[in-house]
Amino acid sequence: AQSVTQPDIHITVSEGASLELRCNYSYGATPYLFWYVQSPGQGLQLLLKYFSGDTLVQGIKGFEAEFKRSQSSFNLRKPSVHWSDAAEYFCALYGNKLVFGAGTILRVKS
Amino acid sequence: DGGITQSPKYLFRKEGQNVTLSCEQNLNHDAMYWYRQDPGQGLRLIYYSQIVNDFQKGDIAEGYSVSREKKESFPLTVTSAQKNPTAFYLCASSILGGQSLGFFGPGTRLTVL
Repeated sequence: AQSVTQPDIHITVSEGASLELRCNYSYGATPYLFWYVQSPGQGLQLLLKYFSGDTLVQGIKGFEAEFKRSQSSFNLRKPSVHWSDAAEYFCALYGNKLVFGAGTILRVKS
Repeated sequence: DGGITQSPKYLFRKEGQNVTLSCEQNLNHDAMYWYRQDPGQGLRLIYYSQIVNDFQKGDIAEGYSVSREKKESFPLTVTSAQKNPTAFYLCASSILGGQSLGFFGPGTRLTVL
């Protein structure tokens, strides 16, 4: 079985502060891992993906994520958040199909 | 430009009616997917297809049906058997093996009155 857990439903950060969104997964082998962002009423945009190799993955819009096999985690980070980053973020895992976490809503306060 | 088209963006139907959501891609991807999105529940897989004329049930297939007669098209029918069909529906596509799962359509919001 494969599953993804995003422990935080909502996160609020101040503009300019750093951000970390948590993602934990369950899968019997090394999965493909993804982070997506969704603005209200829109489809999903891929931020970054991990398949193998370097465990620190760089993505678009200044985001990065680190794969930690020992912790079954793939947390998303950004050093300085901008107001335009306010959106919902989804972690996803591909084992034999693509499975998503429940999402984390990011609010940015000015 | 390559991408995925979903139509319509908003759809209203009366309870008890079947409704078909369109999904078309011009990315030449083999695999296509349908997801349902409800607040606080993330995206749940309804059906997926990895090749023409073949498809598999996802986690919440009951009350839905699909067809894959052409590589570029993967329509989803929400039947009257679906108990709570009001939701946001997203279509996605990828090459086989999941290494290009970055393409989603803009979604269709279905409201059943």
